[in-house]
Amino acid sequence: AQTVTQSQPEMSVQEAETVTLSCTYDTSENNYYLFWYKQPPSRQMILVIRQEAYKQQNATENRFSVNFQKAAKSFSLKISDSQLGDTAMYFCAFINSGTYKYIFGTGTRLKVLA
Amino acid sequence: EAGVAQSPRYKIIEKRQSVAFWCNPISGHATLYWYQQILGQGPKLLIQFQNNGVVDDSQLPKDRFSAERLKGVDSTLKIQPAKLEDSAVYLCASSFRFAANQETQYFGPGTRLLVL
Repeated sequence: AQTVTQSQPEMSVQEAETVTLSCTYDTSENNYYLFWYKQPPSRQMILVIRQEAYKQQNATENRFSVNFQKAAKSFSLKISDSQLGDTAMYFCAFINSGTYKYIFGTGTRLKVLA
Repeated sequence: EAGVAQSPRYKIIEKRQSVAFWCNPISGHATLYWYQQILGQGPKLLIQFQNNGVVDDSQLPKDRFSAERLKGVDSTLKIQPAKLEDSAVYLCASSFRFAANQETQYFGPGTRLLVL
């Protein structure tokens, strides 16, 4: 079965510091996509960053970047220069190109401290 | 561009009652998803539509949950009768088309259901 594991239920970081959220997944597929979604306290989930498994280059979106290790099935999110608005639940998600079904991890609650 | 709309935002019912949730996806999005998110957990897919056809409903408790997407646009999710364990946030999401390289999902604000 395909699974997504986020082993850090809660994390905190000082404003302007860097934090890394971890995610591992399990799949026997070769073609798939990985995502990080952010869910602020208002609960509307938004996409932070995505990574295609066939791409070796790690995705980057402004202050957000990923460390994608395909062999290790690891997909961590790095947030640089953390801001108070980054406080949210962060979900790692996986979809393979065959089923098109999202599988979400249990989330990491990130709190940015002033 | 208008986002995914959901209503109501909150609902409190007693067990064994019925409840319905409504979702209006982003215009032009062919794929629509309903998720159940229990407190402290990640979203769990209940049902996925491609236009007005069901693609995946393997995790939908069909003895009490039903969903439809008439005309391939709006969708309703119904629970009848509700149980205490149905207390959760029900999220609706849509995506442009049924292909993984377009599969960024856009989520609505959710409906928070409390079953007493």
